[in-house]
Amino acid sequence: DVKVTQSSRYLVKRTGEKVFLECVQDMDHENMFWYRQDPGLGLRLIYFSYDVKMKEKGDIPEGYSVSREKKERFSLILESASTNQTSMYLCASSLAPRAKNIQYFGAGTRLSVL
Amino acid sequence: ELKVEQNPLFLSMQEGKNYTIYCNYSTTSDRLYWYRQDPGKSLESLFVLLSNGAVKQEGRLMASLDTKARLSTLHITAAVHDLSATYFCAVDLEGAQKLVFGQGTRLTINP
Repeated sequence: DVKVTQSSRYLVKRTGEKVFLECVQDMDHENMFWYRQDPGLGLRLIYFSYDVKMKEKGDIPEGYSVSREKKERFSLILESASTNQTSMYLCASSLAPRAKNIQYFGAGTRLSVL
Repeated sequence: ELKVEQNPLFLSMQEGKNYTIYCNYSTTSDRLYWYRQDPGKSLESLFVLLSNGAVKQEGRLMASLDTKARLSTLHITAAVHDLSATYFCAVDLEGAQKLVFGQGTRLTINP
């Protein structure tokens, strides 16, 4: 069965802290994605990666960075957390080439920045 | 820039009724996806529509795609409470690996 695992369901951090969100997939997928989900805005893409050590900016990359050192793991980094980064963060993965391009999602991490 | 818009954003309906959720997108694409999200849970893939005129059905849900009108619909027949969830449509651009999501439609079905 397909599985995307996010390391934390809930996180509370303070303004200015460096925050790491981890995501692991066990499906040998090439593509991995980080989204944030906010009410009324749907899912917005932060960054995605189509191969190890490769990354591309999504629609809202400001204030975030990513790391993909191994195929199965994709990390989202908030270098200096701010209150406007309080949100639900979703990780996803998909198979490449496009095929049906179905993305499989993790359970999400709800981050609160105080 | 690809934009995806859903309407309505909120929908409250009674069990047994029929209704339709609409998904409009702004750029040519022949691939559209529907996802479901239950409260506190992640997104699950419902339907993948890969060509103009594609129709997929599962249970009381039916999705269709009209690429000329840049429109997909998700039709709910004889709604039941278990279908209460937020439904998202998503579109990808040819050659792109990423999806662009709509805002989501929060569906509440009352007994």
